[in-house]
Amino acid sequence: DQQVKQNSPSLSVQEGRISILNCDYTNSMFDYFLWYKKYPAEGPTFLISISSIKDKNEDGRFTVFLNKSAKHLSLHIVPSQPGDSAVYFCAALMNYGGSQGNLIFGKGTKLSVKP
Amino acid sequence: DSGVTQTPKHLITATGQRVTLRCSPRSGDLSVYWYQQSLDQGLQFLIQYYNGEERAKGNILERFSAQQFPDLHSELNLSSLELGDSALYFCASNGGINTGELFFGEGSRLTVL
Repeated sequence: DQQVKQNSPSLSVQEGRISILNCDYTNSMFDYFLWYKKYPAEGPTFLISISSIKDKNEDGRFTVFLNKSAKHLSLHIVPSQPGDSAVYFCAALMNYGGSQGNLIFGKGTKLSVKP
Repeated sequence: DSGVTQTPKHLITATGQRVTLRCSPRSGDLSVYWYQQSLDQGLQFLIQYYNGEERAKGNILERFSAQQFPDLHSELNLSSLELGDSALYFCASNGGINTGELFFGEGSRLTVL
């Protein structure tokens, strides 16, 4: 039972255009949603997060939108650069009574930004 | 460089064998997490330790075990290995802040033949 789903295994975008990566979740109790980026032969690195009480968080070229009624979040990258080519993982966190919970990851979307 | 160190980077072994993966967390981080990434799968949470104590368990097989030592490094022990255990094993750490931001090592790639 996948609680966090990334339905697009891959996405190809032209340099300078917008990249939109999507993620759906099933559990309304998640407290935080995060995006991680992973290059080949490296571990995932944290990119941006959003609290469940927010609907938007922006950090430079990266913006995450959260639609709680649809249980959907998206990552927008504007403008896209070739260096953004990587696998992007969506993740969700549920904390338990003040104790940190554990991240549940989607399967990832491979973004290719073409020059 | 995340500051999390994992060894070995690559490991090839045979079915039925036992291996140990090692992780040194970022300086000052008390929490260590282990994740497994199999082919075409997302990262599956295995187990978490906080300051030497097991904090949470995920989909970790009984053949697998882990521990965190007083110097905060952690080891993941995989025994009676099967072909399906071939995967990337990631260690991550953080200071225990419950926002989900983890610092990952580069992973240990295990191949079981």
